[in-house]
Amino acid sequence: GESVGLHLPTLSVQEGDNSIINCAYSNSASDYFIWYKQESGKGPQFIIDIRSNMDKRQGQRVTVLLNKTVKHLSLQIAATQPGDSAVYFCAERRFNNAGNMLTFGGGTRLMVKP
Amino acid sequence: SQTIHQWPATLVQPVGSPLSLECTVEGTSNPNLYWYRQAAGRGLQLLFYSVGIGQISSEVPQNLSASRPQDRQFILSSKKLLLSDSGFYLCAWSAPSSGANVLTFGAGSRLTVL
Repeated sequence: GESVGLHLPTLSVQEGDNSIINCAYSNSASDYFIWYKQESGKGPQFIIDIRSNMDKRQGQRVTVLLNKTVKHLSLQIAATQPGDSAVYFCAERRFNNAGNMLTFGGGTRLMVKP
Repeated sequence: SQTIHQWPATLVQPVGSPLSLECTVEGTSNPNLYWYRQAAGRGLQLLFYSVGIGQISSEVPQNLSASRPQDRQFILSSKKLLLSDSGFYLCAWSAPSSGANVLTFGAGSRLTVL
């Protein structure tokens, strides 16, 4: 079964507000956590990743926070824009005998209201 | 630059018919290759991955199979489709040096089994 999940399947925010998308994980052995964005009808695109020994990492308008105590991961999007409307997936990286693999969560749909 | 091509984009197949989805990557050598399936409104399920020609690993038991006849070609097949095989199939590649954090996905193939 999945070891990565999400608190909310759909998130609706006003344009210009900040968005926070949450994710819970259960595999403590994962060494990286990654966020992907999937626009309608397209494949997912890499947004940002964070190593398991970090608590926070910032990118352009996005920040990922990792709380290993409660096994919680979040993606914060500043000044949300209509182009941010998409489904967001968290993923965790695990190692097996064939190399590193990603396990994806169920996804959260972000809807940006104008 | 690297590109990934996946086809066909859409197909409708009757139950019991065969399936062949193709994926090719350009602009890179010895990529890690992946097949994912995404059911409607759901997350991404890893089906197969390959770290080299003829090397295929399966994540879940199913009536699908994969082959890698060439370094940059990955094929997903089935001899007899089931209704439950309907979904959005995504091919992806990663550079071995990236540690699999950054997957580049194709545009996907939407399969409907009737």
